[in-house]
Amino acid sequence: SQQGEEDPQALSIQEGENATMNCSYKTSINNLQWYRQNSGRGLVHLILIRSNEREKHSGRLRVTLDTSKKSSSLLITASRAADTASYFCATKEAAGNKLTFGGGTRVLVKP
Amino acid sequence: DAGITQSPRHKVTETGTPVTLRCHQTENHRYMYWYRQDPGHGLRLIHYSYGVKDTDKGEVSDGYSVSRSKTEDFLLTLESATSSQTSVYFCAISEARGNEKLFFGSGTQLSVL
Repeated sequence: SQQGEEDPQALSIQEGENATMNCSYKTSINNLQWYRQNSGRGLVHLILIRSNEREKHSGRLRVTLDTSKKSSSLLITASRAADTASYFCATKEAAGNKLTFGGGTRVLVKP
Repeated sequence: DAGITQSPRHKVTETGTPVTLRCHQTENHRYMYWYRQDPGHGLRLIHYSYGVKDTDKGEVSDGYSVSRSKTEDFLLTLESATSSQTSVYFCAISEARGNEKLFFGSGTQLSVL
């Protein structure tokens, strides 16, 4: 199975609500990244959190990292229809240079 | 998409034919990557390059080869396409070795019939 696995696989919310998705991984990491992918487009980097960090913010995005549980969460606050996309976590292993992507969470924000 | 152009955007080919996908960047980034994206598998690394004529295999490299003769161009070749290679292929670039942040192209939808 994959290094990073997102949960849930799909999420449907109303505009203005918060969206939370989680990523679990198996091996020790150097950093964890979140990407967004709009339909038919490439991935766009959102935020990177290093293994010695616990929380990071960027605009309406909040990322947490719990290395003891090998998990991360991405929170999108006050969601907008434009946030409709798939969100992927990617982990960079502590040993080596490999960046591994999870299967993604599909988020639908209904207006 | 951060100065990355993938061509073609769509291609339909027959089993057994050779196919070459091109990635062109205008960012002068050293590192370039080819990924494939399939439902249920996320993105998987095929090959990557850390400089001109320096390439290495990723986790799903069988059936694929790459070449990088110039900083700006990274070619992915399927020597003899198979139906299992039907996928969306993404090129990505990064400035630093540590995979700190990848910039992706818009992808190539390849169908092998």
